Amino acid sequence: TQLLEQSPQFLSIQEGENLTVYCNSSSVFSSLQWYRQEPGEGPVLLVTVVTGGEVKKLKRLTFQFGDARKDSSLHITAAQPGDTGLYLCAGANPGSYKLIFGSGTRLLVRP
Amino acid sequence: GAVVSQHPSWVICKSGTSVKIECRSLDFQATTMFWYRQFPKQSLMLMATSNEGSKATYEQGVEKDKFLINHASLTLSTLTVTSAHPEDSSFYICSARANGVAGQETQYFGPGTRLLVL
Repeated sequence: TQLLEQSPQFLSIQEGENLTVYCNSSSVFSSLQWYRQEPGEGPVLLVTVVTGGEVKKLKRLTFQFGDARKDSSLHITAAQPGDTGLYLCAGANPGSYKLIFGSGTRLLVRP
Repeated sequence: GAVVSQHPSWVICKSGTSVKIECRSLDFQATTMFWYRQFPKQSLMLMATSNEGSKATYEQGVEKDKFLINHASLTLSTLTVTSAHPEDSSFYICSARANGVAGQETQYFGPGTRLLVL
């Protein structure tokens, strides 16, 4: 069974600080998604990365897919309280429709 | 685009009753939908894959007779929790698979349904 390990599990930072969340696996994924979830709501898709080494930017969020397509990172610049939430990475096995979810990173940005 | 709705958003029921949760893709057709369960402060756990016009595929450890799934159309999948018990209380989330570039699997999630069984 493929596993996706996310780190850190919890992160509490001050507004304005930068942070990076990591998503690692020993297996290759055909694509990887990052989601953000707020309490009592469903996950909201932030980005999908497909190509090894791919970098995508979404305002202050930068997503990178590892060259070997086994890992990914999410970097947030100048975090704001509105960034608070649960960040989930999810990977798709080659040839499979299923997503394997990481354990999640709970981010708290203090004003 | 790519909006998924769930109904109801929350439900409270007595132990022994059955509860039906609907998942709809509002602006796209979804041949494949997924049902997840999420416990407090944990990640999503896939329960089953719902395929339009065919039987659902259940993950290991998920009782198919307990969690009945019907995917009767390209925009609707339902999950029925039969004879619910307090341990079935959880946050149930559905997603719908949106086809894009080959090999790029993107799922769009519903807002979730919180079930409380008394």
